[in-house]
Amino acid sequence: KQEVTQIPAALSVPEGENLVLNCSFTDSAIYNLQWFRQDPGKGLTSLLLIQSSQREQTSGRLNASLDKSSGRSTLYIAASQPGDSATYLCAAFNNAGNMLTFGGGTRLMVKP
Amino acid sequence: DTAVSQTPKYLVTQMGNDKSIKCEQNLGHDTMYWYKQDSKKFLKIMFSYNNKELIINETVPNRFSPKSPDKAHLNLHINSLELGDSAVYFCASSRVGNTIYFGEGSWLTVV
Repeated sequence: KQEVTQIPAALSVPEGENLVLNCSFTDSAIYNLQWFRQDPGKGLTSLLLIQSSQREQTSGRLNASLDKSSGRSTLYIAASQPGDSATYLCAAFNNAGNMLTFGGGTRLMVKP
Repeated sequence: DTAVSQTPKYLVTQMGNDKSIKCEQNLGHDTMYWYKQDSKKFLKIMFSYNNKELIINETVPNRFSPKSPDKAHLNLHINSLELGDSAVYFCASSRVGNTIYFGEGSWLTVV
C-alpha cells in the first residue's frame, strides 16, 4: 500500500529565501505525482503535476522534481514571499490513475 | 465559474442523524472522488468513481454511501452520524491520472 511522507512538517523562513520541500513515496509504480497548496479553511489548489516519465516541471517560481527509482520528489520555491504561506501537499497517483495518496503536508510560513 | 462545487459548506448536526453532501463538477471529467480530512489535516481517500462506477472504497464504514446519478455528480450520504465523523469532506474530479480538482470542502461537525 502506498505511503507518502513529507518532511519537514513545518517550516518558517524569512521572505526572499529559496526553499525545498521534500516528499517520499514507498511504491514507485505511480501514474504521476502532484503538488498542491492548501490555505487555511480552503480547498486544495493544484500547483504542479509530474508524469511518471518526467523528471521535473516548472511553473513560475515553483519547480518540482521526481525521482521514481528512489521514491522522492522535491518542490523548490524560489524567492519566497509572505503570500506563499500555506500548507503544501504532495500526492501520488496509483498506477491505474484513479487513486491519489497524500502526504501529511508541510506547513510553510514566510515572514516579511 | 466553479469547477467542483459541493454543498453545504458547513453542517452541524446531532449524533444519530442522517445527512447528505452534494457534489457537482462541470469539467467533463470521468472520475470523481470523496476525500476526508481529519483534525490532524491528513487527507485520505474514501471513494473513487469512474463513469458512475465505484472503483475504490477504502475501508469506509457502510454508514457512508456514495451515489453517482451521472458522471457530473457524486453525492455522499451518511447514516447514523457519530462524533468521529466530524471532519472536512472534499469532493474532487479528474480525467484518469490527470490533474485533480478539489471542491472547497464541507465542514461537518457532529455534536
